[in-house]
Amino acid sequence: DQQVKQNSPSLSVQEGRISILNCDYTNSMFDYFLWYKKYPAEGPTFLISISSIKDKNEDGRFTVFLNKSAKHLSLHIVPSQPGDSAVYFCAAQNAGNMLTFGGGTRLMVKP
Amino acid sequence: ETGVTQSPTHLIKTRGQQVTLRCSSQSGHNTVSWYQQALGQGPQFIFQYYREEENGRGNFPPRFSGLQFPNYSSELNVNALELDDSALYLCAFQGGAGGYYEQYFGPGTRLTVT
Repeated sequence: DQQVKQNSPSLSVQEGRISILNCDYTNSMFDYFLWYKKYPAEGPTFLISISSIKDKNEDGRFTVFLNKSAKHLSLHIVPSQPGDSAVYFCAAQNAGNMLTFGGGTRLMVKP
Repeated sequence: ETGVTQSPTHLIKTRGQQVTLRCSSQSGHNTVSWYQQALGQGPQFIFQYYREEENGRGNFPPRFSGLQFPNYSSELNVNALELDDSALYLCAFQGGAGGYYEQYFGPGTRLTVT
């Protein structure tokens, strides 16, 4: 029973365009959501987060949107750069501070 | 650079053996979690330690056990290794007094069980 799902295993985008990565969750007890970026042979790197009381959080080129009624969040990267090519994981956190991860989306930004 | 270190980087063990993985943080955060990441999947929560006590556990059998030391570094021990235990093992530190803070990961230990 996957409580956090990333339905697109991969995404290819042209440099300079927008990348949109999606994530769905089922557990309404999740109250904090995070995006991590992972390069091969490295641990996940924290990117951006959002509390369940908000619907948008922005940090430079990265914006996360949360739609609680749809139990859906998305990460927008504008403009996309080749260095953004990596695997992106969304994660949901409950009051116990345990993270539940999605399966990841591999983003490829083409020059 | 998260300041979280893990050792060893890689190791190979035989089925039935035992293994100990280690994790430490430069920042002195008091909450540490361990995750298992199988190939092609997202990390799965194993357990969490807060001030040397287990503070939550995922769906892993008792042969996965841990410790946290007074300096907040941590160990993950796995007994009676099985082939399916082959994975990347990640630890993550979380700071602050409760609440919702980001977890910062180490580079992981790649365990291969043959």
